[in-house]
Amino acid sequence: AQSVTQPDIHITVSEGASLELRCNYSYGATPYLFWYVQSPGQGLQLLLKYFSGDTLVQGIKGFEAEFKRSQSSFNLRKPSVHWSDAAEYFCAVGPSFSGGYNKLIFGAGTRLAVHP
Amino acid sequence: DAGVIQSPRHEVTEMGQEVTLRCKPISGHDYLFWYRQTMMRGLELLIYFNNNVPIDDSGMPEDRFSAKMPNASFSTLKIQPSEPRDSAVYFCASSDDRAYTEAFFGQGTRLTVV
Repeated sequence: AQSVTQPDIHITVSEGASLELRCNYSYGATPYLFWYVQSPGQGLQLLLKYFSGDTLVQGIKGFEAEFKRSQSSFNLRKPSVHWSDAAEYFCAVGPSFSGGYNKLIFGAGTRLAVHP
Repeated sequence: DAGVIQSPRHEVTEMGQEVTLRCKPISGHDYLFWYRQTMMRGLELLIYFNNNVPIDDSGMPEDRFSAKMPNASFSTLKIQPSEPRDSAVYFCASSDDRAYTEAFFGQGTRLTVV
């Protein structure tokens, strides 16, 4: 079955510390992978996406993610967290056909808190 | 473009009433998606349209839910009759048909059924 697992429900980090949010997926075909961020009361905003090529992808707001096929993982990282990064982060996978890759399966989300 | 526009932002209704959620996708987008977000089940795809035609409604929870897209700039999600367990945030998203593009989400409608 297709699924996305985000093992960490809540993570708290200090401002300026590094961050890694984990994402593992189970998918029958080559997936397209996404990370979205949701600030309180807001919709989802795309941070970055992976379709093919370089397995290290750069996104907005200083985030990056690395696709590791052997581990079925797509972890999100940021070298230095800012207080404004406090939000909920969702990993998602989608099928690799035109338009259909937005038929997304989402993980449960990881809520990030940032201490000053 | 103003992005995906959903209305209303908040809706409180009594059990048994009909509820209609509205969505205006980004102009030129071929795909429109309705998602539901709850604490228990997270984000779930309910239905999606391509060129105004429903393609996959397997995520629609039951017959009380229906969705339409009468034209390229408007879609509705209707719940009739509504139940307290329908309380959730409903998101609409749209995307175009270019390779490697992503879905753009609206701000959502928070529905509370009392």
